[in-house]
Amino acid sequence: AQSVAQPEDQVNVAEGNPLTVKCTYSVSGNPYLFWYVQYPNRGLQFLLKYITGDNLVKGSYGFEAEFNKSQTSFHLKKPSALVSDSALYFCAVDRYNTDKLIFGTGTRLQVFP
Amino acid sequence: DSGVTQTPKHLITATGQRVTLRCSPRSGDLSVYWYQQSLDQGLQFLIQYYNGEERAKGNILERFSAQQFPDLHSELNLSSLELGDSALYFCASSVDGGGETQYFGPGTRLLVL
Repeated sequence: AQSVAQPEDQVNVAEGNPLTVKCTYSVSGNPYLFWYVQYPNRGLQFLLKYITGDNLVKGSYGFEAEFNKSQTSFHLKKPSALVSDSALYFCAVDRYNTDKLIFGTGTRLQVFP
Repeated sequence: DSGVTQTPKHLITATGQRVTLRCSPRSGDLSVYWYQQSLDQGLQFLIQYYNGEERAKGNILERFSAQQFPDLHSELNLSSLELGDSALYFCASSVDGGGETQYFGPGTRLLVL
């Protein structure tokens, strides 16, 4: 069974509007959750992670994510999208603290001017 | 720039050949991870080394092997290459493990003809 699901292949949003990139997970216990971004011809850049504590996690470039245990979700959000945010976004989970990151299939974010 | 370096950036080779991909982790990081990114399989964890020892194994083929040297750099060896091995291979590093953030290199793009 897939451990991480990103239900949307692509998300389109106008510049200045809020954006949400969805992620749900299906592992038992308390997973570590991560968001990474991949720009064309570049490696993955770390955005933020949830280990424990406050359900709202703030990360790089104005991004934040909300951990919801009851809905097993970890959606990525940003209050005001920029054209430069256009990239491929990956949600990942570290199951059972094994250091083996399991990645979702990725969501392509397109921000239109 | 994550501080993780990978060489070469691009590699073109023929089926049946053997190649070696090299990774230098961030200064101070003891763990090195290898991932494969392909269109059909997505991002998959291959293997992890910690301070020279293999720590975790993922979906790594028997034709593939890796090692971490005393200076902590790592090499991923791919042998008897097949067309399906064409992919982007990422190296990542972290201080230790246990939920520590993994920082990714720019990747090596392998094309098997």
